[in-house]
Amino acid sequence: DTAVSQTPKYLVTQMGNDKSIKCEQNLGHDTMYWYKQDSKKFLKIMFSYNNKELIINETVPNRFSPKSPDKAHLNLHINSLELGDSAVYFCASSQELAGGKYFGPGTRLTVL
Amino acid sequence: QKEVEQNSGPLSVPEGAIASLNCTYSDRGSQSFFWYRQYSGKSPELIMSIYSNGDKEDGRFTAQLNKASQYVSLLIRDSQPSDSATYLCAVNNQGGKLIFGQGTELSVKP
Repeated sequence: DTAVSQTPKYLVTQMGNDKSIKCEQNLGHDTMYWYKQDSKKFLKIMFSYNNKELIINETVPNRFSPKSPDKAHLNLHINSLELGDSAVYFCASSQELAGGKYFGPGTRLTVL
Repeated sequence: QKEVEQNSGPLSVPEGAIASLNCTYSDRGSQSFFWYRQYSGKSPELIMSIYSNGDKEDGRFTAQLNKASQYVSLLIRDSQPSDSATYLCAVNNQGGKLIFGQGTELSVKP
């Protein structure tokens, strides 16, 4: 019944490793997003996909690569992890770009 | 100037009082406005959306929008301890990006 789900919930890894976070939504929404929430709780958009196509690509390092195999899934792959990547990453979806976003439970990434 | 600004708080109100949360935004072309509630360690939850000037009421929550003043507010009537959370104002700018404020921490004291 979970509308937007993410795995894993927690991710602890060493600097330099590569990791992926998966996201799925069963709301039938056309648009999906990745947001990053830093230690000061500030939420910032990273990417947005509409029907598998990238429509918003904020200024994030190219070590971050999103991939949308279909409109219900949006995964985030991060190469060469750095200490500053530690944050909570939220996946979200909405029916349209201007609409309210529904967030997944978040993935807390800790880079050691 | 930040795109969306909120007082970080904490805002403390007694149980049963009205909590008033405020937000200003810089993009005059913004068309849709949202309030999210985020409990500690949880994800943001959409509680109100407003698209036109005036008030919109939903239960104990009222959202107010004034596009001329670029101002959005959220009133919570009969505040309960369970309302204690961080409230995030979010604005969809002309580019279609949802921009969040830094959040206001609300504490409702029994």
